[in-house]
Amino acid sequence: DTAVSQTPKYLVTQMGNDKSIKCEQNLGHDTMYWYKQDSKKFLKIMFSYNNKELIINETVPNRFSPKSPDKAHLNLHINSLELGDSAVYFCASSHRRAGDADTQYFGPGTRLTVL
Amino acid sequence: AQTVTQSQPEMSVQEAETVTLSCTYDTSESNYYLFWYKQPPSRQMILVIRQEAYKQQNATENRFSVNFQKAAKSFSLKISDSQLGDTAMYFCAFDASGSRLTFGEGTQLTVNP
Repeated sequence: DTAVSQTPKYLVTQMGNDKSIKCEQNLGHDTMYWYKQDSKKFLKIMFSYNNKELIINETVPNRFSPKSPDKAHLNLHINSLELGDSAVYFCASSHRRAGDADTQYFGPGTRLTVL
Repeated sequence: AQTVTQSQPEMSVQEAETVTLSCTYDTSESNYYLFWYKQPPSRQMILVIRQEAYKQQNATENRFSVNFQKAAKSFSLKISDSQLGDTAMYFCAFDASGSRLTFGEGTQLTVNP
């Protein structure tokens, strides 16, 4: 069984479209994350959710809206896609303890290409 | 804000030899965690090793070990008996709060036959 899964793995779309990426984890974790990896392979946090509540929103344009229907799912919806949104988006999950850090496990990534 | 620096964009090593990847970080936190992740061409992010800052003993996982120097804020990864499957991008990462990983720029390691 895949621990952290994302769909789709590849997404090619036109500028201006709206798209969603779905993430699910079956590890029983209470915290989920979205990271963006740019063309130079640099990884940066976008959002993190703990028990369905947003705890980090890292100055991401409001065209990006995460939604967590339950602790096992964190979806990313992107409105009005722009060329600069082309990147690989990773979902991750962990068990968060107050003031402590636990290992984050990553999904396979979604390569988004905006034409 | 925390920063993580990997000063070696690319490295190469011969199969069966040993290689060390460097990482330095900057933080004012006293308790934190450091990680090395590996990203092969498949794109999957795979945990290699983890170190808790409060532990003085360096972490080891089979052929992978770290040299953690807290005072120098240095966290290098040593890979022994390098294998072709070790070819990947390696990322050093830092987490103090349990709410985000801060990554370095990555080091592309190539293991040559």
